[in-house]
Amino acid sequence: ETGVTQTPRHLVMGMTNKKSLKCEQHLGHNAMYWYKQSAKKPLELMFVYSLEERVENNSVPSRFSPECPNSSHLFLHLHTLQPEDSALYLCASSHGFSGPGQGYEQYFGPGTRLTVT
Amino acid sequence: DQQVKQNSPSLSVQEGRISILNCDYTNSMFDYFLWYKKYPAEGPTFLISISSIKDKNEDGRFTVFLNKSAKHLSLHIVPSQPGDSAVYFCAASLQGAQKLVFGQGTRLTINP
Repeated sequence: ETGVTQTPRHLVMGMTNKKSLKCEQHLGHNAMYWYKQSAKKPLELMFVYSLEERVENNSVPSRFSPECPNSSHLFLHLHTLQPEDSALYLCASSHGFSGPGQGYEQYFGPGTRLTVT
Repeated sequence: DQQVKQNSPSLSVQEGRISILNCDYTNSMFDYFLWYKKYPAEGPTFLISISSIKDKNEDGRFTVFLNKSAKHLSLHIVPSQPGDSAVYFCAASLQGAQKLVFGQGTRLTINP
């Protein structure tokens, strides 16, 4: 496997279910991200992990719970979701540092298409 | 308040011609800018980036221009090819910050 992988690619869940999304990066990066993409909206950053520590949480409801056990793996645990949480959930990774005149190029996985019924 | 805006939701260009995708930003502290390309059912793919210390960066058929005074950047694709048909997102960040702020995207269609 190369790049950033995400499983499952599609998920349908009821509002009372508990499920988890998984992301794995094979790029040697040490920062990982969760994004949400809803129809006709920009990508919304949800969480940032750098060196396995959460460094950003963009006011995401507690029904979304991230976990980063090591620098290669990232999970998003889902419980009691709402229909408006249906969206494409994207994982990304990057190096955890940048030099002068540089920034963080993030590399994305294919996403998990989540439908909450 | 959307800090990064792509005001054209769609753009149609003939194969072989130049495609110009535009992006405006409001935060003058942004100093690193990126363009991503996204096909249906795939994640965004990094294309090209530019630091605020430059006004142009070129990579093959792709060139990004940055106009700091106008808070405007553009992506030029020349010549355009059918495989360039996709949604293009611009993104911006602050130096040292890992957070990227994305625009809404522009759907580019290349017509044969």
